[in-house]
Amino acid sequence: EDQVTQSPEALRLQEGESSSLNCSYTVSGLRGLFWYRQDPGKGPEFLFTLYSAGEEKEKERLKATLTKKESFLHITAPKPEDSATYLCAVQAWSGYSTLTFGKGTMLLVSP
Amino acid sequence: EAQVTQNPRYLITVTGKKLTVTCSQNMNHEYMSWYRQDPGLGLRQIYYSMNVEVTDKGDVPEGYKVSRKEKRNFPLILESPSPNQTSLYFCASSLGLAGSYNEQFFGPGTRLTVL
Repeated sequence: EDQVTQSPEALRLQEGESSSLNCSYTVSGLRGLFWYRQDPGKGPEFLFTLYSAGEEKEKERLKATLTKKESFLHITAPKPEDSATYLCAVQAWSGYSTLTFGKGTMLLVSP
Repeated sequence: EAQVTQNPRYLITVTGKKLTVTCSQNMNHEYMSWYRQDPGLGLRQIYYSMNVEVTDKGDVPEGYKVSRKEKRNFPLILESPSPNQTSLYFCASSLGLAGSYNEQFFGPGTRLTVL
């Protein structure tokens, strides 16, 4: 059974204080790993897809990286508008039509 | 504007009263999916559809039905809702399932309460 564990559950940062969110996964053949951002009361918003170990993707202050067991979402010099819940999901080659989501990391960035 | 819409956004109902939550996308996407989101459990897939008239079960399909008669619409049907189906529901769509086509676009959510 595919599993996704995100840590920490919640993270509080000061504006400008860089940090990383972790997504550990077990999957029978990784087809893709996805990061989403979810604001309160809204649907998740797609951020990145990573396909193979060593791959990195960046978007503004966010950088996602992937190893064979985990992915990190690095947040550089965060701003209050980066406050949100960040979700990680995996898709396996077997049963490729479904995504397995982690429970998310709630990030709060204070001014 | 490219979007996924859901209706209603909020619904309070009683046990056993059949209801339908509509989902529509205007991006000509082939793949559509329904999720429920519960505190401490995260997002879990209920049903998905890879194209018109093609649907299949996700992780938590019990108590739900879906249909895909048109490419743009994917309604979620609760024939006899129960309190354990109280949840936040999201519809999502993507162009396909391969590579970058798998970027899922989510609707705004439907908050359902079953009394």
